[in-house]
Amino acid sequence: ETGVTQSPTHLIKTRGQQVTLRCSSQSGHNTVSWYQQALGQGPQFIFQYYREEENGRGNFPPRFSGLQFPNYSSELNVNALELDDSALYLCASSLGPGQGRNEAFFGQGTRLTVV
Amino acid sequence: AQSVSQHNHHVILSEAASLELGCNYSYGGTVNLFWYVQYPGQHLQLLLKYFSGDPLVKGIKGFEAEFIKSKFSFNLRKPSVQWSDTAEYFCAVNVGSQGAQKLVFGQGTRLTINP
Repeated sequence: ETGVTQSPTHLIKTRGQQVTLRCSSQSGHNTVSWYQQALGQGPQFIFQYYREEENGRGNFPPRFSGLQFPNYSSELNVNALELDDSALYLCASSLGPGQGRNEAFFGQGTRLTVV
Repeated sequence: AQSVSQHNHHVILSEAASLELGCNYSYGGTVNLFWYVQYPGQHLQLLLKYFSGDPLVKGIKGFEAEFIKSKFSFNLRKPSVQWSDTAEYFCAVNVGSQGAQKLVFGQGTRLTINP
């Protein structure tokens, strides 16, 4: 176990709806990154939060947004869901900044299905 | 844009066979390189990492990888695989020049070990 927990583990949404995914980071970690893993693909970086501020964003549209709370837990929000948003969403926590040398620990993910 | 390419999508081996999984990256700056493993139903786990120094790095469970800068490669090897090595393997490069890791992953290689 990594100490990174994500909820829910699975959910099904209808196209056009909105969804919120949650992540509790490992104790002591102040950085949370979110990744999208489509079926048969590697994870793709969505964005990262460091001390409650966005610290980098991948090639995802603005309807993907996030938050980080004072306890360093995080939310990923997706508006106007599309069928292609169906994927496993992974959260990774780490201790930043660390010049990229501090290991990121991944949660088990939330499987989102959009119908 | 930075990218990571894994040459083999699905590799099938018998127990005790030797393993080499290819990984090439496209990134002009200083690289931090990683191999992650995802066992069925489990979270992504770090196998090994390269930051600097000896280009031959050893990881957990008998895995090793060699960084060849001139070939932009970071191939994963194991001299003798076991049935328990059946999993999905991902090569990744960190593109976060500051702060915590922002990982670009390859598409993954599914490894099946037949007993």
